[in-house]
Amino acid sequence: NAGVTQTPKFQVLKTGQSMTLQCAQDMNHEYMSWYRQDPGMGLRLIHYSVGAGITDQGEVPNGYNVSRSTTEDFPLRLLSAAPSQTSVYFCASSYSIVATNEKLFFGSGTQLSVL
Amino acid sequence: DAKTTQPNSMESNEEEPVHLPCNHSTISGTDYIHWYRQLPSQGPEYVIHGLTSNVNNRMASLAIAEDRKSSTLILHRATLRDAAVYYCILRALYNNNDMRFGAGTRLTVKP
Repeated sequence: NAGVTQTPKFQVLKTGQSMTLQCAQDMNHEYMSWYRQDPGMGLRLIHYSVGAGITDQGEVPNGYNVSRSTTEDFPLRLLSAAPSQTSVYFCASSYSIVATNEKLFFGSGTQLSVL
Repeated sequence: DAKTTQPNSMESNEEEPVHLPCNHSTISGTDYIHWYRQLPSQGPEYVIHGLTSNVNNRMASLAIAEDRKSSTLILHRATLRDAAVYYCILRALYNNNDMRFGAGTRLTVKP
């Protein structure tokens, strides 16, 4: 089983460039989310989605856009990259949107550097 | 949002039990307590979760205080592969889509 797949694994951008971090899951999960992790810190929630066509903001949404056109995919877009967005990005998914006992499955992460 | 407090770091010797504490004094009655861990250079992985009763699985045990204001993740025999950052998280019934991770506890296992 592929689980949660993130691409690319590494990316270097220049300030002002745009890019999309891809996230796909093959478990038919309703809930998907994006986190960022800065060095020595925990994960901070950027955006999440409870189903196709529905997205919402987390703790640190500024500078990021998301959309959820299918159940499987949840891309994260950086419209104009800034050095402050240098971080490791994790995508996660979960089966149910209502059950608080459902566990999250995480991808392996994308390491992004903005110069 | 209900928050959790964990020690920044802990050390253990290999093959000894490890008790990782978590305080969540503002927990509500419908919040589930989840534990995840993050091995070096990997995404977090689920460890265990519970509501009121103690829980066991193949990875660990979760002991929940009677008043639910604290919990303890127990690794019965630590191995070098258990060295990771351990996160204690509350998942709220009415805002369960917003799972927030704190800084966690970095566990070092000494051979």
